[in-house]
Amino acid sequence: AQSVTQLGSHVSVSEGALVLLRCNYSSSVPPYLFWYVQYPNQGLQLLLKYTSAATLVKGINGFEAEFKKSETSFHLTKPSAHMSDAAEYFCAVSALSGGYQKVTFGTGTKLQVIP
Amino acid sequence: DSGVTQTPKHLITATGQRVTLRCSPRSGDLSVYWYQQSLDQGLQFLIQYYNGEERAKGNILERFSAQQFPDLHSELNLSSLELGDSALYFCASSPSWSNTGELFFGEGSRLTVL
Repeated sequence: AQSVTQLGSHVSVSEGALVLLRCNYSSSVPPYLFWYVQYPNQGLQLLLKYTSAATLVKGINGFEAEFKKSETSFHLTKPSAHMSDAAEYFCAVSALSGGYQKVTFGTGTKLQVIP
Repeated sequence: DSGVTQTPKHLITATGQRVTLRCSPRSGDLSVYWYQQSLDQGLQFLIQYYNGEERAKGNILERFSAQQFPDLHSELNLSSLELGDSALYFCASSPSWSNTGELFFGEGSRLTVL
């Protein structure tokens, strides 16, 4: 069984401030982890992924995430928020289950950037 | 542009009707996933196909069905529509060369049931 918990359905930050979006996962087998971003009226697009190489993963638009096995976390950060970062962010876990890769998404966190 | 194409982008229909949503995966991708996104339920996995065969089933209602055709495009059929079926329906495909579960999403089909 696998699951994803995103803490905070809404997060507000000031422009230029640190962005921290939290994600904790549960998986009985070694997982792959992803962050996706969804801009208004668009589909989800991949922001970054952890695939068991480096634990600190860098993605597009200055975002990065660190895989911490001991904490079962994969938090998303960006040092300085930009207005264009306002979107909904989804954490996802993928693990082998019943012979195929099962993908489970979190409930999403809406990021508001205040000018 | 993810390479995943969904039609129609918008659809308005009445309760009790039936609609078909279409998805063309990225060139070469064998897997197609369908998701429903609504305000109260979030992103819900419906069903997955791999090379024409059903691979996994999620929270898909019996009124809904899907299939993947030999040319790898997929269709999601929604019947006896209810107001609560109003949502964004996303299709995603995953690369055949990757076993990580990375997904490429289409822009979605917005269904409004009146």
